[in-house]
Amino acid sequence: GQNIDQPTEMTATEGAIVQINCTYQTSGFNGLFWYQQHAGEAPTFLSYNVLDGLEEKGRFSSFLSRSKGYSYLLLKELQMKDSASYLCAVRDDGSNSGYALNFGKGTSLLVTP
Amino acid sequence: EAGVAQSPRYKIIEKRQSVAFWCNPISGHATLYWYQQILGQGPKLLIQFQNNGVVDDSQLPKDRFSAERLKGVDSTLKIQPAKLEDSAVYLCASSSTGAAGNTIYFGEGSWLTVV
Repeated sequence: GQNIDQPTEMTATEGAIVQINCTYQTSGFNGLFWYQQHAGEAPTFLSYNVLDGLEEKGRFSSFLSRSKGYSYLLLKELQMKDSASYLCAVRDDGSNSGYALNFGKGTSLLVTP
Repeated sequence: EAGVAQSPRYKIIEKRQSVAFWCNPISGHATLYWYQQILGQGPKLLIQFQNNGVVDDSQLPKDRFSAERLKGVDSTLKIQPAKLEDSAVYLCASSSTGAAGNTIYFGEGSWLTVV
């Protein structure tokens, strides 16, 4: 099984930087994903890490440490439209569940003026 | 490229009634997933198909939920009879294969309210 933890809520100011942490304990691991979900909409893919280190994509970066079971999503130059839920998801190693994603409960980010 | 299509978008039913949701994945995607997302929580996998075969249905409440993907393209998820706790968004998703690294793309979801 998998246990994925992330903070429930965070608040940050427009233009600032925010880091959303995710810790996980898994029986198998084949990658960590971050998704963004606006209220009433589908989750949309943000990033994927399978090796240790930082992946940068414009204003968004994601970091992974497999030995620590830890990842974070870094959002820079926050904009009001970044207010959303951010979902951390771990991909199984396929031995039991065919590489499906297992999601945390999500972190609701509120960006204020 | 068209995304994952789902219908209906919204459904309200009484408990003990039945409901069916339909999903059309991204063209060419062999792997299809149904997730259940209860308000305030992350999506939970219900069932995963690879073409028309079931890969994982370990978290599907089989006494009331069923799903099929007969021709390896469209899929239907059925709930019969519905319970109050089934109120949730049912998200269909697809990926090109079930292999590691392939991104999963979600549809907009079917919102179910059971009263």
